[in-house]
Amino acid sequence: GAGVSQSPSNKVTEKGKDVELRCDPISGHTALYWYRQSLGQGLEFLIYFQGNSAPDKSGLPSDRFSAERTGGSVSTLTIQRTQQEDSAVYLCASSLNGRTSRDEQFFGPGTRLTVL
Amino acid sequence: AQSVTQLGSHVSVSEGALVLLRCNYSSSVPPYLFWYVQYPNQGLQLLLKYTTGATLVKGINGFEAEFKKSETSFHLTKPSAHMSDAAEYFCAVSDRGAQKLVFGQGTRLTINP
Repeated sequence: GAGVSQSPSNKVTEKGKDVELRCDPISGHTALYWYRQSLGQGLEFLIYFQGNSAPDKSGLPSDRFSAERTGGSVSTLTIQRTQQEDSAVYLCASSLNGRTSRDEQFFGPGTRLTVL
Repeated sequence: AQSVTQLGSHVSVSEGALVLLRCNYSSSVPPYLFWYVQYPNQGLQLLLKYTTGATLVKGINGFEAEFKKSETSFHLTKPSAHMSDAAEYFCAVSDRGAQKLVFGQGTRLTINP
C-alpha cells in the first residue's frame, strides 16, 4: 500500500517568508510525527499527534513553528518568518497506534527546505 | 534527558567484511531501542527494534543487534557487508511510555569493493 507522502519534496524560500509543508500519513494510522534533520542538530523531534488528543509540541524550536492535523489525517507544518537556520529536511512519520513508541514509525521521504 | 551516542560518524569496510556500528544510550532504565537506515534522498526505514524479551534482535537485510543492559549498548552488526548496505544508519531510543524517538547523530557506512 501507499506509504507516507510529503509535499513538496523541495522548497526554496527567501528569509522572512512563510512556508507550509504537507504530510499524508498511511491510511488508518492514528499517530503522526514531525522530525527535522539538519547538519548541525541531527534528527530532532518536533511534534506528535495522537488521535484527538492534544498534540505534544515539546520539540518545536520557536513560536514561529506550528502544525495542525485536520480530520485525523493530513498534517501541515507551518514555519512563519523563515530564517536561514530553518534550512533542513523535514521528515514526517506515522504509526498505527502510537500510544507507545513500540509501534513502528513509518517515515516519508522528507521535504528539503532551503532558506536563502 | 535521554541521549544516544553513535561512535564514529563514518565507518568504512570492505565488501564481505563484518559490519559493526556502535550505539550507547544514557538512560538508567532500559528504553526501547531502534536502528533505522536511510538511503540517499529517502526517508528512514526500520531495520530492527528491541522492546522486551530476547536481547539479540534480528532485523531485515541480515542485520542484528544485541541489547546489553550492563553496557547500555545496542550495537548493530552484519557478518558480511554487501555493496547495497552503503547508507546512513541511525540508532534511536524512546523511553517506555513515551512516543517520540531520540536519535543518535548517525553513522555513514561505506562499502569498499
